[in-house]
Amino acid sequence: NAGVTQTPKFQVLKTGQSMTLQCAQDMNHEYMSWYRQDPGMGLRLIHYSVGAGITDQGEVPNGYNVSRSTTEDFPLRLLSAAPSQTSVYFCASKRRRNTGELFFGEGSRLTVL
Amino acid sequence: EDKVVQSPLSLVVHEGDTVTLNCSYEVTNFRSLLWYKQEKKAPTFLFMLTSSGIEKKSGRLSSILDKKELFSILNITATQTGDSAVYLCAVEVGGGSQGNLIFGKGTKLSVKP
Repeated sequence: NAGVTQTPKFQVLKTGQSMTLQCAQDMNHEYMSWYRQDPGMGLRLIHYSVGAGITDQGEVPNGYNVSRSTTEDFPLRLLSAAPSQTSVYFCASKRRRNTGELFFGEGSRLTVL
Repeated sequence: EDKVVQSPLSLVVHEGDTVTLNCSYEVTNFRSLLWYKQEKKAPTFLFMLTSSGIEKKSGRLSSILDKKELFSILNITATQTGDSAVYLCAVEVGGGSQGNLIFGKGTKLSVKP
């Protein structure tokens, strides 16, 4: 069972470069989300989606874009990377928006120089 | 502003000790409270609590919710070195952000042999 798959696991970028973190789930979950985790800050919600074609902002959306063209995929785009975006990014999904338990991917460690 | 506060932020114990981790919350629309364990990578699900006073138990771990006083505790008895991890508390909220999880900063537990 693949669950939630994130790629790449590690990435180094230069300031101003753009990139996309990929996220795919094979559990037919309606709800998908992206979090970033920084030391001492816990997990903070960037963007989320409650179904294909529907996305919304979380707590820290600036500098990030998302789209949800299919149920399975929820990519996170960094338009112009900044050192403040150095973090570990987690994609997570759950069956529906009101079903509590989130299933997490393994994380993507991003460093912006 | 919705918030989840965990205490202590870090804790060092010896094998065999019993520990209690705390989670308090202030949210506008409470739906459920969840506990996760995070070792090297992705958080893994432990418990979801929705009703006050009903203990959830899994092996040496147990948790209970008090919706009147707005807190939850996670107990670990007879700790083992394998319990060393960051324990995350999250609250699922309703209303406009329905279904989103707000995380605390976590409690880092270190169990010494």
